Amino acid sequence: ETGVTQSPTHLIKTRGQQVTLRCSSQSGHNTVSWYQQALGQGPQFIFQYYREEENGRGNFPPRFSGLQFPNYSSELNVNALELDDSALYLCASSLAPQAMGGTQYFGPGTRLLVL
Amino acid sequence: KNQVEQSPQSLIILEGKNCTLQCNYTVSPFSNLRWYKQDTGRGPVSLTIMTFSENTKSNGRYTATLDADTKQSSLHITASQLSDSASYICVVRNTGNQFYFGTGTSLTVIP
Repeated sequence: ETGVTQSPTHLIKTRGQQVTLRCSSQSGHNTVSWYQQALGQGPQFIFQYYREEENGRGNFPPRFSGLQFPNYSSELNVNALELDDSALYLCASSLAPQAMGGTQYFGPGTRLLVL
Repeated sequence: KNQVEQSPQSLIILEGKNCTLQCNYTVSPFSNLRWYKQDTGRGPVSLTIMTFSENTKSNGRYTATLDADTKQSSLHITASQLSDSASYICVVRNTGNQFYFGTGTSLTVIP
C-alpha cells in the first residue's frame, strides 16, 4: 500500500449536483495531484497542489477546483456535475513537485457515477 | 497538440516470455517520461522515470528506454510473471508541469 488514502470509495450523484472528494497524502509529502480516469482510458491530469497553492493545471474547466490544507491533505471539488464526469478520480502524493523528480504514489481512487 | 500514444492496445503473452510496450509522444517542451503499472481497481504505481538525458533505466525485470530525438519510449518486461498482468501507462510531463497520459497497454500473462 502507498499510504495515500481517498474518500469516499464510491459515490453516486445526479447531474447539476456538487461533489467533494478527499485525499490524505503519504506522511511527509507536500505535493498532491488529482487525475480523472474514464473507463478504459488513461488518467487525465486535473491539477497539482504544492504547499497549499495550485502548481499546474490540465485542460479541465473551472468547475473543477481544489484545495490543499496545511497538513497537505487535499480536496477536489466539482460543481454542476455532468454525465461525462463519471470516472475514477485518483489522487497522487509526492515528496516534491515533479520538477524535482518526485515519485508519485497513487491512492486507490474514488469512483464517481453521475446519473 | 500534446499527445501520448501507446501500442499495442492489448497484449497476451505466455508466462516466462519477454515483451516490449511502445510509447510515442508529441508533448513539448519535454521534461520527463514515466511508466506506470496499474492493477485492476488500483491506482497506478510508478516503475521508472526518465529525463531528457537518460536513454535506459531499469527496475528489476522492467527496462525503459527513451529516444528524445524521435520522441519514443519503450518498456521491456523480461521473464514475465502472472503478476505482471496489468495496464501499463506512459506519462509525459512538460516543463509547464502538465501531465499527459497514454491510454495504456493492457497486458495479460497466461500460464
